[in-house]
Amino acid sequence: GAGVSQSPSNKVTEKGKDVELRCDPISGHTALYWYRQSLGQGLEFLIYFQGNSAPDKSGLPSDRFSAERTGGSVSTLTIQRTQQEDSAVYLCASSFSSATDTQYFGPGTRLTVL
Amino acid sequence: QKEVEQNSGPLSVPEGAIASLNCTYSDRGSQSFFWYRQYSGKSPELIMSIYSNGDKEDGRFTAQLNKASQYVSLLIRDSQPSDSATYLCAVNRNTGGFKTIFGAGTRLFVKA
Repeated sequence: GAGVSQSPSNKVTEKGKDVELRCDPISGHTALYWYRQSLGQGLEFLIYFQGNSAPDKSGLPSDRFSAERTGGSVSTLTIQRTQQEDSAVYLCASSFSSATDTQYFGPGTRLTVL
Repeated sequence: QKEVEQNSGPLSVPEGAIASLNCTYSDRGSQSFFWYRQYSGKSPELIMSIYSNGDKEDGRFTAQLNKASQYVSLLIRDSQPSDSATYLCAVNRNTGGFKTIFGAGTRLFVKA
């Protein structure tokens, strides 16, 4: 079946602009995660959605970052007033249910802020 | 101190040898432990998950967990050049809210 998809695959923007990154999880997966990965670094946890529960936003680096998940499926990560340090690959993952389940990653969105 | 620590490597082993990858974590409330493999320019993919102390084997891979020592490892037997990648240790904890913490990864290079 279809895996996790993300769009766009690449995004180049100017400093100060807002960007929206989209994630379509695997159908039936209730848990969805956002991470970012800077060049040569590990994954930095951003936010976790589980079903209809309030999301865990503890990893969001600043109030310029926000995410929502509509209808328990598609998620959008929004970065307002982008800065050069926001440049990274943003990865989305989904899992069947709880945090103990395997996370399946999408291909990522490479964000470049000029 | 980072929550999840790995030796960045690179770890270089000859083809056919055993590769040993190590990871330590700081939060004793951690519950679930994962090893992901990430090829250059690609997304991570799960290799092994482990939840209780001891060893778990799957083919050429063995994960080892020691919660008392806050240590998790991955052994790759009969290493192949195709195993050359970055291996990420990930830990799920639920203290102060759920979070998955990834280590920075260990680069493995298997020489043919």
